Amino acid sequence: KNEVEQSPQNLTAQEGEFITINCSYSVGISALHWLQQHPGGGIVSLFMLSSGKKKHGRLIATINIQEKHSSLHITASHPRDSAVYICAGLNYGGSQGNLIFGKGTKLSVKP
Amino acid sequence: KAGVTQTPRYLIKTRGQQVTLSCSPISGHRSVSWYQQTPGQGLQFLFEYFSETQRNKGNFPGRFSGRQFSNSRSEMNVSTLELGDSALYLCASSPFGPNTEAFFGQGTRLTVV
Repeated sequence: KNEVEQSPQNLTAQEGEFITINCSYSVGISALHWLQQHPGGGIVSLFMLSSGKKKHGRLIATINIQEKHSSLHITASHPRDSAVYICAGLNYGGSQGNLIFGKGTKLSVKP
Repeated sequence: KAGVTQTPRYLIKTRGQQVTLSCSPISGHRSVSWYQQTPGQGLQFLFEYFSETQRNKGNFPGRFSGRQFSNSRSEMNVSTLELGDSALYLCASSPFGPNTEAFFGQGTRLTVV
């Protein structure tokens, strides 16, 4: 069993739909990153959070440390949101931890 | 502000050879982390350097090594290449380490034939 699990693995949505991607982890983490990877490989960091909720434009990320669960929501999805979304947990506190990655959720938004 | 620059972008090597990949972090960032991404294993942590010191290392064989220079630029080296080393190698820079926001480079796609 992976220490960081994402669901679903693949997601197809129609433009305008509300999207939720889930991330659960079995190890203790002090922070969680949400990353976006477009075809070609480049990765963009969307959020880093250790508690509560963060919002940036149409993207919202939440985390519940006690339940070991985080979600990434996309409101009013658009075809340009099509990408692979990866969550990564920082496996222990301080600056010397390392990231443990989920396998990613491949999102395809159809016009 | 320039982003994270990785060179080269693409590389083809033969089994048994060695390879060196380079990563120039964002100016002022002192932490550089390296990751390997393969279709089967996904993203895996290789190592992290901070102020020229390796602070953390993932579960990879000793053929994988790295270093960081005084200007924070980092290199990773893979010796005695194997077919399974074919992957996208990504580096990420951050001000102090993975507990701060990370900025990723475009990656180096290594193909071992």
